[in-house]
Amino acid sequence: AQKVTQAQTEISVVEKEDVTLDCVYETRDTTYYLFWYKQPPSGELVFLIRRNSFDEQNEISGRYSWNFQKSTSSFNFTITASQVVDSAVYFCALSEADTGGFKTIFGAGTRLFVKA
Amino acid sequence: EAGVVQSPRYKIIEKKQPVAFWCNPISGHNTLYWYRQNLGQGPELLIRYENEEAVDDSQLPKDRFSAERLKGVDSTLKIQPAELGDSAVYLCASSFPRSVAFFGQGTRLTVV
Repeated sequence: AQKVTQAQTEISVVEKEDVTLDCVYETRDTTYYLFWYKQPPSGELVFLIRRNSFDEQNEISGRYSWNFQKSTSSFNFTITASQVVDSAVYFCALSEADTGGFKTIFGAGTRLFVKA
Repeated sequence: EAGVVQSPRYKIIEKKQPVAFWCNPISGHNTLYWYRQNLGQGPELLIRYENEEAVDDSQLPKDRFSAERLKGVDSTLKIQPAELGDSAVYLCASSFPRSVAFFGQGTRLTVV
């Protein structure tokens, strides 16, 4: 069965600190996708990254980086030199092939507070 | 390029009343999703459409919820009658087949 666990409910940091958001997933499939989305106070979910299960290369995009480790079923997200604008709820999601398409489930989210 | 558009943004209704939400997906996106997000939780899928066909509605409470996607473009989600426990944010998303889903801003429903 699919499952996504974000154990950190809330994290509070001071601006310019680095912060890592944890994500652990469970799946029986060998082909799947992992995502991170950001949900600012305005409400919409903003896509950040997608990784497929065959690509374990870590990725860096500006201040954001992602560490995908299949051995530990983890897909962690690090923000370097955090800024107040990074304050939001961050969701990790897992997508598996399903009849007619892909079925996606989300973790419960981690609320990040970045204080000036 | 316009994103996923939802309306209304906010809705307050009394219990037992009907309510409807509307979604206009990104142009060209064949796949459309309705999610419900309860306070402090991640979104949960209610229904997924491929064009006008509902291919996954296993999580849709069919006794009171209904959805339609006429002509494979816009979609509406209806609740009749609404219950207190239906208070949540209802999110619409769209994508190309098996691709990244883009979300609207959601409709925040409060049932009193």
